[in-house]
Amino acid sequence: DGGITQSPKYLFRKEGQNVTLSCEQNLNHDAMYWYRQDPGQGLRLIYYSQIVNDFQKGDIAEGYSVSREKKESFPLTVTSAQKNPTAFYLCASKGNSGANVLTFGAGSRLTVL
Amino acid sequence: QKEVEQNSGPLSVPEGAIASLNCTYSDRGSQSFFWYRQYSGKSPELIMFIYSNGDKEDGRFTAQLNKASQYVSLLIRDSQPSDSATYLCAVRSYNQGGKLIFGQGTELSVKP
Repeated sequence: DGGITQSPKYLFRKEGQNVTLSCEQNLNHDAMYWYRQDPGQGLRLIYYSQIVNDFQKGDIAEGYSVSREKKESFPLTVTSAQKNPTAFYLCASKGNSGANVLTFGAGSRLTVL
Repeated sequence: QKEVEQNSGPLSVPEGAIASLNCTYSDRGSQSFFWYRQYSGKSPELIMFIYSNGDKEDGRFTAQLNKASQYVSLLIRDSQPSDSATYLCAVRSYNQGGKLIFGQGTELSVKP
């Protein structure tokens, strides 16, 4: 089945540690996105990539980094510079034609202890 | 002014009633409009999208778009308890490089 796989589903981190969230898709989509969601809030764009080896900052990129070495993979690193990293992180990809709809992974919930 | 605004709710309707969810947006260059449903602790899933002024129906769901008023709504007919979720409105504007901007979501509760 085609889809987006995010891991881990739950992650606990101590302050000062970097963590990397995995996002893999087998939909053959060119564009991939990382969003952050806080309780009672909408989704805010962290980073996005429209093609391999290229990515752009979204609205809240500070304290985060990404890479796009393969079409299928778009990992997100939450660095120690991110002041308030506890949140629900959602990876998405966008189809190459048609309605250009975003499809989301199941999400990763990060808690900083 | 937020780029995409929704009433956060909660909106409570009885089972079988029509639920009406509203969304306004600020960018007149917006061209694509999406409604996502998000159950608690889960990721958003697409309900429907609309590009043109007017109504678009899909089963119990109807999306309504009025670009002159910068307003998009989602009607849910014959609401069911399983419709209880947060509904996210999202707007794509090519003036902003095609980014998808989300509202904060409206929580809907359908009471049996």
